[in-house]
Amino acid sequence: GQQVMQIPQYQHVQEGEDFTTYCNSSTTLSNIQWYKQRPGGHPVFLIQLVKSGEVKKQKRLTFQFGEAKKNSSLHITATQTTDVGTYFCAGRQGAQKLVFGQGTRLTINP
Amino acid sequence: DAGITQSPRYKITETGRQVTLMCHQTWSHSYMFWYRQDLGHGLRLIYYSAAADITDKGEVPDGYVVSRSKTENFPLTLESATRSQTSVYFCASSESAGLGTEAFFGQGTRLTVV
Repeated sequence: GQQVMQIPQYQHVQEGEDFTTYCNSSTTLSNIQWYKQRPGGHPVFLIQLVKSGEVKKQKRLTFQFGEAKKNSSLHITATQTTDVGTYFCAGRQGAQKLVFGQGTRLTINP
Repeated sequence: DAGITQSPRYKITETGRQVTLMCHQTWSHSYMFWYRQDLGHGLRLIYYSAAADITDKGEVPDGYVVSRSKTENFPLTLESATRSQTSVYFCASSESAGLGTEAFFGQGTRLTVV
């Protein structure tokens, strides 16, 4: 079945440093979504990428979808303490299942 | 209030007991999902449903049963709870699955099996 792998599992940075998490699928994805889960909270939708090679930005966050639609990345520039949490990618193969990666837990030293 | 709610928020049960986790959404979303979250495994899909009376297995369905007699409800039952089912369970819903609308998550149920 479809597998969505995400690396790294953990990342600790100094405030102000950049952060990147990578997502890879064993199969071609219809689209990919990114979610953020604050400590003790539930996942909250950030963005969806649909087109091959798509790049989207949300303030300091940059999301990319690979040309083959099998990988994606989330890059945060100049992290802030509010960025703390776990970032998940989620992919749909076909139209139904929404399968999540293992997540990358980001901690920040102020 | 509109949204997606899970109950209970916390549950402690004994090994071998049956326990049901409830999920209710007020948006009339077609799709609903159950995930479990464990350290190191992220969110793993247990079951999902495309509509009332349509359910299908996810990645880790063993030991769980779901039903969806009404669009708004998607209960998850552990038929005979085991300690390995200690986890945080999240229910989610989405309007459709065509090109993927966002999924909205409930607050989660923390289940401990002793």
